[in-house]
Formats: sequence, structure tokens, C-alpha cells
Amino acid sequence: DADVTQTPRNRITKTGKRIMLECSQTKGHDRMYWYRQDPGLGLRLIYYSFDVKDINKGEISDGYSVSRQAQAKFSLSLESAIPNQTALYFCATSDTGTGGRNTEAFFGQGTRLTVV
Amino acid sequence: GNSVTQMEGPVTLSEEAFLTINCTYTATGYPSLFWYVQYPGEGLQLLLKATKADDKGSNKGFEATYRKETTSFHLEKGSVQVSDSAVYFCALKAGQGFSFIFGKGTRLLVKP
Repeated sequence: DADVTQTPRNRITKTGKRIMLECSQTKGHDRMYWYRQDPGLGLRLIYYSFDVKDINKGEISDGYSVSRQAQAKFSLSLESAIPNQTALYFCATSDTGTGGRNTEAFFGQGTRLTVV
Repeated sequence: GNSVTQMEGPVTLSEEAFLTINCTYTATGYPSLFWYVQYPGEGLQLLLKATKADDKGSNKGFEATYRKETTSFHLEKGSVQVSDSAVYFCALKAGQGFSFIFGKGTRLLVKP
């Protein structure tokens, strides 16, 4: 089984609908992230969480919200989906390690979201 | 602020050719540097990393050296294979909270 699991893997939804993307991890890491990948733009950070009570906005948080239900679970919601939120979404985790500077991120397989 | 700039692709090479993908960065503080690889239909996987100046990260024949004086972390491989075809991302981790910042990715296509 994958260490970082995202569900669903693919989703098509209509404009205006609420949708939730889920991420769970078995790595025991305290830090979790949501990224969005668009062609030619690389990965952009949406939200990140350093523990259950710590949620932080990334560079493109508008139109998104998150919930850290437990150390192992971090969900991303689109309250009212719009077509320009069509993208590939990745969840990632990392360990705090020695202050968090040196540890790498581990990624899920991604969720391909299409808003029509 | 923190940012990563990497060469635009696609980079097309013949098998056994030498590969260089350039990456430069700007960062507040002292970043750690990473290269990730994304194969078609998959998530990103760590390829290598370096956490201090002059460190060399290496894995699967790929290498990159942390050059603080030129703020660079170029990826190299002496002889590429068709199976190396993928998108490569340079990334740094720095600043308050140590979140990851990624470059835009470079697509590599290796032809037989």
C-alpha cells in the first residue's frame, strides 16, 4: 500500500459544486501539504499544516479550504468549484526531523480534477 | 522571497548522451535543495538532495552539487537512458516554516 494515499484519483465535477479531496498517510509525519500542478507552472502550494492545530495558507489559497482531521488525514475542499481549478492536485508529507529544514517531501499519486 | 528557476524544456536527447538541467535559486536563510522526478501518471519522487554548501547529492547515476556562491544546483547524468524520460523538478526548502518551493519542471525525452 502507498504511504500517501489520495482519493479520488480522478474526478469530474460541475461548476458551483462543492468537492473534497482526501489525503491520508501512514508515514507518521507531522507535516502535510496540498499542491496544485498546472502545465508550465510547476507545483504551487495551496495550504500546509505542521500539526493538527496548525494550518497555513500557501501562495494560492483563494477558493480552497482545508481540514486536518488527524495527524494522518488532511482534506482539501473546493467550496464552489470553477473551471480554472481544473488541475492535478498533490498531497505531500514530511517529517519535522531536525527542525524541518533537511527532510524531504513524500507525494501521493495525485488527483486529476476537471471542473466543467 | 524564495524562488527556483530551472531551464525550460522539453530537453530531447539521444540515449547515452550527457544531461544537464540547470537550476538556480533565491532564498532567505540557508536552504536545503532537492531534485524530484515525475514519471507519467505518477506523483513526484525524490531523486536526490543536498543540505549544505558543496554537498553532492547522487542517485541512479544522477548528481547535483550545492553551489552557494552561484546559488545553483544543476542536475547531471553522464549517460541517459530511455527510462529516464520524465519531468524533473528542482526545489528548495527554506524560510519560516520550511515549506517547499518548486521550479516549473523540465521535461526530458530520451530517444533510442
